[in-house]
Amino acid sequence: DIQMTQSPSTLSASVGDRVTFSCRASQDVSVWLAWYRQKTGEAPELLITKASNLETGVPPRFSGSGSGTEFTLTITGLQPDDFATYYCQQYESYSMYTFGQGTKLEI
Amino acid sequence: QVHIVQSGPEVRKPGASVKVSCTPSSFTFTNFGVHWLRQAPGQGLEWLGWVSPHQDNRQLSARLQDRLSMTLNASTASMDLRSLESDDSAVYYCARMQLGPRRGYFDLWGRGTLVIVSS
Repeated sequence: DIQMTQSPSTLSASVGDRVTFSCRASQDVSVWLAWYRQKTGEAPELLITKASNLETGVPPRFSGSGSGTEFTLTITGLQPDDFATYYCQQYESYSMYTFGQGTKLEI
Repeated sequence: QVHIVQSGPEVRKPGASVKVSCTPSSFTFTNFGVHWLRQAPGQGLEWLGWVSPHQDNRQLSARLQDRLSMTLNASTASMDLRSLESDDSAVYYCARMQLGPRRGYFDLWGRGTLVIVSS
């Protein structure tokens, strides 16, 4: 299986800040990477596909970049709604989808 | 507005079985694969498997395939997990995935079903 590693595990920030999350794959996944936001007690919500494509309806303060094994998710201008846990997921490997362990963004 | 409705919470004893179901609202599963994932308390997400709308394609996690089965038609998806263990206690999600190449992300999730396995 392709292992996904996110860092840091916890990130502290304030409303209005710019934050960056990192995700590393154990092998090349090209651009086949998605990002999700999970608010406490809710299901994950898709933010970004193909490493940098913003899902319809997702605010433009979210952006993604990277390819191969290194990826980042950036939020520019944090909103109160953004304090949640963020997961990356690779889909290079058909039907063997794996997630990172998540980064919790807290105030 | 499209969403997925999942069945309610379940409590089971070790060794028992549980069935969790999902129903689409304002769409059908005709053009989507349905995937099942779970999240143990305070943990990350684990992909369990998926089934295609015509049930002509499916794949289950190697770790659970001996205890896991999934079915799907246009109006309902369900997952059965047998021989439950305490480690199976988790929130179980169904999520849809568009069919087609390189569509391996989950664009709509159910709200989750809590399964507790306890003696």
